[in-house]
Amino acid sequence: RKEVEQDPGPFNVPEGATVAFNCTYSNSASQSFFWYRQDCRKEPKLLMSVYSSGNEDGRFTAQLNRASQYISLLIRDSKLSDSATYLCVVNSGTSYGKLTFGQGTILTVHP
Amino acid sequence: DADVTQTPRNRITKTGKRIMLECSQTKGHDRMYWYRQDPGLGLQLIYYSFDVKDINKGEISDGYSVSRQAQAKFSLSLESAIPNQTALYFCATGGSYYEQYFGPGTRLTVT
Repeated sequence: RKEVEQDPGPFNVPEGATVAFNCTYSNSASQSFFWYRQDCRKEPKLLMSVYSSGNEDGRFTAQLNRASQYISLLIRDSKLSDSATYLCVVNSGTSYGKLTFGQGTILTVHP
Repeated sequence: DADVTQTPRNRITKTGKRIMLECSQTKGHDRMYWYRQDPGLGLQLIYYSFDVKDINKGEISDGYSVSRQAQAKFSLSLESAIPNQTALYFCATGGSYYEQYFGPGTRLTVT
């Protein structure tokens, strides 16, 4: 089983749609969780950290379920500029500062 | 100015050549990382360093070496490049909450 698993998509949605991505992780000792965004041929950029209580940043909402080892990202009112690959990222839990990256979910927002 | 810079941004080299990729950061972070990304695949950790005197192998260190010249500088070397080392290479720094910040990447082609 992969340490971090994501549905690779692709997700094709119209502008204005709401879309949700899911991610599961296998290491129950993991303590830190993130969503990154990566545009084609560019570096991954931190989108948001994910907290146990859930957190929101504008149109983006992240949720964490530790019991199910499950992370989600919700994007509301999708914009064309949201088109990218979204990476679910988890710290290893066993080694300070090491992150494990999911393979990413591709999102395309069309007019 | 970018917080994490990488040089060169693109490099084409021949099999058997030695090549060095350089990374500099102005974020003041102690932790630094080198990753490679192959098309359609996730990020794989090559080496990481928690401070100038601490260097660790990642998942795929064979064929690579690193040097941490200072807190701000972390270089990756391919001692004898081979075609399957053709990839996109990213340097990253580690923040206070385990998040990481990436440089713009180096696109390496080994012919």
